[in-house]
Amino acid sequence: EVQLLESGGGFVQPGGSLRLSCAASGFTFSTYGMSWVRQAPGMGLEWVSSISYHSVDTFYADSVRGRFTVSRDNSKNTLYLQMNSLIAEDTAVYYCARGARIATIDYWGPGTLVTVSS
Amino acid sequence: EIVLTQSPATLSLSPGERATLSCRASQSVSTYLAWYQQRPGQAPRLLIYDASNRGTGTPARFSGSGSGTDFTLTISSLEPEDFAVYYCQHRSNWPITFGQGTRLEIK
Repeated sequence: EVQLLESGGGFVQPGGSLRLSCAASGFTFSTYGMSWVRQAPGMGLEWVSSISYHSVDTFYADSVRGRFTVSRDNSKNTLYLQMNSLIAEDTAVYYCARGARIATIDYWGPGTLVTVSS
Repeated sequence: EIVLTQSPATLSLSPGERATLSCRASQSVSTYLAWYQQRPGQAPRLLIYDASNRGTGTPARFSGSGSGTDFTLTISSLEPEDFAVYYCQHRSNWPITFGQGTRLEIK
């Protein structure tokens, strides 16, 4: 059974940083592109970032490019999202998801809430 | 950036009725379009991929059609658990984008 479990969310002040993690199990993690998708309170889904299976290619939404960095450790079956220079508009539930552009996003974690506020 | 426009924003129907949801792309996405269902407090769940293929565990009452710029998700006979928000999403190029969602509510 495919399982994705995010961690690392929490409360942070504007300008602060957080690192999200996503532990994957139930599939061969090293053969899948992975993505982060977020959802602000009461709003729709917004793609944030994706990374290829071998980490060579990374992609970002304009809204986070230069502030967020996606990475992965295939030896630990873990996906990461380093978030710097956080702003209030980054407040959202962040979902880890299997897939990106080459393959459909097909499985999602339960999400982790990030709140940016002073 | 490809913009996906979903209609209607809200659809009010009764259990047993047929639901038809629309997703229109601002330029062709071929058949690289997926549909997701999101129930309150839950993560999205894949229903349909590549426009017309049911995902693992997707009931047969859900079907998808379309190509290019116009897509439809049809639920043949609504069950109580189908009342939720539905999103379309393309993976034709970067950036991946989602539609704004259609809320399917009980009439």
